[in-house]
Amino acid sequence: QKEVEQDPGPLSVPEGAIVSLNCTYSNSAFQYFMWYRQYSRKGPELLMYTYSSGNKEDGRFTAQVDKSSKYISLFIRDSQPSDSATYLCAMSAHAGGTSYGKLTFGQGTILTVHP
Amino acid sequence: DSGVTQTPKHLITATGQRVTLRCSPRSGDLSVYWYQQSLDQGLQFLIQYYNGEERAKGNILERFSAQQFPDLHSELNLSSLELGDSALYFCASSVVGAGTGELFFGEGSRLTVL
Repeated sequence: QKEVEQDPGPLSVPEGAIVSLNCTYSNSAFQYFMWYRQYSRKGPELLMYTYSSGNKEDGRFTAQVDKSSKYISLFIRDSQPSDSATYLCAMSAHAGGTSYGKLTFGQGTILTVHP
Repeated sequence: DSGVTQTPKHLITATGQRVTLRCSPRSGDLSVYWYQQSLDQGLQFLIQYYNGEERAKGNILERFSAQQFPDLHSELNLSSLELGDSALYFCASSVVGAGTGELFFGEGSRLTVL
């Protein structure tokens, strides 16, 4: 069983829809939770970052973390065709400053937003 | 543009061969990370260097090795290549200790082993 599970989709939605992306994890040591977006033929780029449980909002994006359920979500409101990409959840136990880059990624969900 | 440069972008080689992938981190970033992305395994952490020293190791095969040079660029060496090594290899850099989890990824080197 993988430490981080993410439904690979693909997910296809109409423009303007609310998109929900989710990951579950098994490692209780994970404290830092991130969402990366990866466009085709590009490297991942950080979208959202949260520490421990709670919600964080940034424009049309909201990240939620529920550590008790070992479940994280990313919501995209008013989705746009430019949001079409692969969304990767990532987590870190952050054992120390020199190892925080050791991220564990989900498989990624392929999202297509059609006009 | 993330500021991380990877070369070559594409590489096709045969089984048993050896290749070297090169990475130049963002200006000022002391940490370099290597990740492998494949369809079946997703994005997997291989190794991290900080200012020339190895700091963390993931599921990196013994046939693979890396180093970070005094000018902070890094190289990932893959030897005795197998078909299963075909993948996208990403380099990322960061300011260690920032705690934001933000890694800046290059555009990757796509390796095809025939």
